[in-house]
Amino acid sequence: NAGVTQTPKFQVLKTGQSMTLQCAQDMNHEYMSWYRQDPGMGLRLIHYSVGAGITDQGEVPNGYNVSRSTTEDFPLRLLSAAPSQTSVYFCASSYSHGATQETQYFGPGTRLLVL
Amino acid sequence: DAKTTQPPSMDCAEGRAANLPCNHSTISGNEYVYWYRQIHSQGPQYIIHGLKNNETNEMASLIITEDRKSSTLILPHATLRDTAVYYCIVRVDGNQGGKLIFGQGTELSVKP
Repeated sequence: NAGVTQTPKFQVLKTGQSMTLQCAQDMNHEYMSWYRQDPGMGLRLIHYSVGAGITDQGEVPNGYNVSRSTTEDFPLRLLSAAPSQTSVYFCASSYSHGATQETQYFGPGTRLLVL
Repeated sequence: DAKTTQPPSMDCAEGRAANLPCNHSTISGNEYVYWYRQIHSQGPQYIIHGLKNNETNEMASLIITEDRKSSTLILPHATLRDTAVYYCIVRVDGNQGGKLIFGQGTELSVKP
């Protein structure tokens, strides 16, 4: 298994540009999440999904859109990038049963710089 | 979900046990304690979790006090590779899976 994969690893955007961060998992996990991590801080939840076709907002959803058309993929879209969105973005997935829901597997991260 | 409090940083000598405390005085009866760690900008890694009883796996041991208001993660023989930020998280099991709330964590430095 490849686990949780994220692309790209690095990205530089100009203010106002749009882009999609890709996340895929091959473990047949129902739950997937997006987090951002700013320098020196813990992770903050952006959006999460409990299954295909179902998404919900986390702590910091503004400026981001998500969709979940398949179990495997959970892309994160920035519609109009802002410097405040400069961060490291992590995608995670987990099973949907019992305490294993919180045993999340994280991807390697996407480092985004918005100029 | 209950709030957790951890010391911002700790040091440990290589080969010694690292004991990382976490206070969760407002924890509810159905909330689990989870521990994750993050090694230098990598994605966080699950370590262990528990509800009431002490737990042990190949990575660490988790000691939860009888009143469940605090817990301690124990790395029995710390190595340099254990240098990381350690996060203690409490969550209701089965409640909106995929929704971890991270605090600031404890930055553990293992020194030779």
